[in-house]
Parts: sequence; C-alpha cells; structure tokens
Amino acid sequence: KAGVTQTPRYLIKTRGQQVTLSCSPISGHRSVSWYQQTPGQGLQFLFEYFSETQRNKGNFPGRFSGRQFSNSRSEMNVSTLELGDSALYLCASSLSAGAGGYTFGSGTRLTVV
Amino acid sequence: AQSVTQLDSQVPVFEEAPVELRCNYSSSVSVYLFWYVQYPNQGLQLLLKYLSGSTLVKGINGFEAEFNKSQTSFHLRKPSVHISDTAEYFCAVSEIQGAQKLVFGQGTRLTINP
Repeated sequence: KAGVTQTPRYLIKTRGQQVTLSCSPISGHRSVSWYQQTPGQGLQFLFEYFSETQRNKGNFPGRFSGRQFSNSRSEMNVSTLELGDSALYLCASSLSAGAGGYTFGSGTRLTVV
Repeated sequence: AQSVTQLDSQVPVFEEAPVELRCNYSSSVSVYLFWYVQYPNQGLQLLLKYLSGSTLVKGINGFEAEFNKSQTSFHLRKPSVHISDTAEYFCAVSEIQGAQKLVFGQGTRLTINP
C-alpha cells in the first residue's frame, strides 16, 4: 500500500515569490493535514481538510492557503514568500478522525533566499 | 487548548542500555496520545498511540509507553537501545472530540553511543 507522497522533495524560491506544494494521501484516507517544521518553532499545525472542506486552521497568516480535491489529494500554497517561511512542510493523512493516527509523508524542504 | 512538554531536549545513552523519554501534557478535554519518531531527512513515523483501555501501550521497534492520567504523563521507554534508534522523538496529543490536529512537543534527540 503506497504511503503519503509529497512533491517536490526540495524547493528553492526567492523572497516575494509564491509556491505550491502537493500531497497525495494513502488511498482511502479522506483527511489531509499540513504541518510546518522549523528548528525554532518545532512542528506547528497549518490546516486540515476533509472531503474538500477545510475543517481546522492553525495560527498562520493568510498567505498560507490550501485546498483538497475530490480524489483527496491536497495542495498548499504560500504567497509572497518570506525568509522565515523556510521550513520542512509535512503532510499527514488519516481515515477520518485522528484516532487511527496520522501517516506522514517525507516532507517538502522549502528554502527561501 | 493543549500543550505538550518534552522534558529533555537531548538524551545520550550507550548501546544496549535502557532509555526513558519523558512527556507531560496539559489539556482541558480528553485527548489521544502519540509518540512519533523522525529519522534524518525523513517524515514522522508513528511509534505507538494511546486511545483508551490499558495504560501500557506497546509499539514498534520494541518501544512502549505508559499513560498516567493523574500525572498527565506519557513517557516512552525501551529496555535496550540500538544504534539504529538514534533519531528525534516527538510526543503529541489530539482532542478526542474537536479539532482534528496534532499538538507536538518540542522533540527529544536520542543519541546512542557505542
């Protein structure tokens, strides 16, 4: 059974640009969550989608947005990139509620220069 | 709101020695509890989870954790570690009813010395 697939694995962008990251969940998983991991702030929740609807949102500025498609694949977008957006972005999928645990992808390492 | 405190940022141990990684949490509602491991340049892998029932939970790679409700703790243990256990370990909670998200501790870097 394929795991959670995140593309691309690495990305270098310039300040002010925008970026789109992609996440394909485990087949059958309808919930997709996104997390940002930085050395200073650790792992922080960005947002969660279920059946194409955003159910929960973390405390991030509006430059961070996401969406989920009918096949449960999800994308997150960051506009007007700042140096502080450099991070590992992790996607996680789960069947529905979190009791089953969340399966994480390998992440996308974003570097903003 | 929930918060998770991992009491040690780094834990060095010798190979084949036992190890305990400590985790305390705070929450006004009932939560599920998780331990994840992160190897270099990889995502997070679920080690074990506590949902309900027996307070001693066994996970993968010989790890186990004990849920203590009165002390709001969920410490991770392994009786004998291996070099391959070198990684960062994260304790996390999520509300049983409510927002479907994980709240993580800051992580504990476990280093195994030969």
